[in-house]
Amino acid sequence: GENVEQHPSTLSVQEGDSAVIKCTYSDSASNYFPWYKQELGKRPQLIIDIRSNVGEKKDQRIAVTLNKTAKHFSLHITETQPEDSAVYFCAAIFHSGAGSYQLTFGKGTKLSVIP
Amino acid sequence: DAGITQSPRHKVTETGTPVTLRCHQTENHRYMYWYRQDPGHGLRLIHYSYGVKDTDKGEVSDGYSVSRSKTEDFLLTLESATSSQTSVYFCAIKRQGTNYGYTFGSGTRLTVV
Repeated sequence: GENVEQHPSTLSVQEGDSAVIKCTYSDSASNYFPWYKQELGKRPQLIIDIRSNVGEKKDQRIAVTLNKTAKHFSLHITETQPEDSAVYFCAAIFHSGAGSYQLTFGKGTKLSVIP
Repeated sequence: DAGITQSPRHKVTETGTPVTLRCHQTENHRYMYWYRQDPGHGLRLIHYSYGVKDTDKGEVSDGYSVSRSKTEDFLLTLESATSSQTSVYFCAIKRQGTNYGYTFGSGTRLTVV
C-alpha cells in the first residue's frame, strides 16, 4: 500500500509570514495529491489538489508543488492570517485494483498563525 | 450537508457491546469510505466500498465490519467495542468524474467506556 510522510507535525508562524508543509509518498504510480484543512471540531475540507501532469498549482494565497522524480509535494501558504490556523493533511491516491481508489493521508500538521 | 450525513454524531457505549455507525449519501456516488481519526495518527482507512455489496479492507480493519446493501447507505459495525476504538469516525465519498477528491461527513465521536 501507499505510505505518506508529512512534516512538520506542528508549525507556528507570525501573521503575514509564509508557511510550508512537506509530504513524501511511496507509490510511484500515485497521480493525484490533495490537501485538506481541518478546523477544530470540524470535518476535513479539500483546499487544493494537484495531478501528476503538472508541477505547480496556485489558488490565491495557497500553492502546491509536486516533484514526481523525488516523490514529494508541498503546500505553500503566503501572507498567513489567523484564520489559516488549523490542521492540514496531505494525501496521495492509491489505485488498489478492481477500479477502486483509496486516499492515504499524512499524519497532519497543526499550523498556528500568531497575530 | 454536502449530500453526506453521519449518524449518530456522538455516542458513548460500553466495552463489549456492538455498535453501528451509519453514513448516508443522497447523490448516488459509487465510492464510500470509513476513516478513523486519532491524535498523532491522522486519518486511517478502515473499510471502503466501490459499489453495492462490494467492500474491501483498509489498513486498520481489525474489529470492524461494513455493509452496503444499497447505494446510499454504508454501515460500519464494531462487533464488540473496545476502548482502543474510542475515536472520531469520518465517512467520505468520492464524487463522480475525474476528480479524486473526497468529501467528508461531519464525523461521529465514539467513546467506549
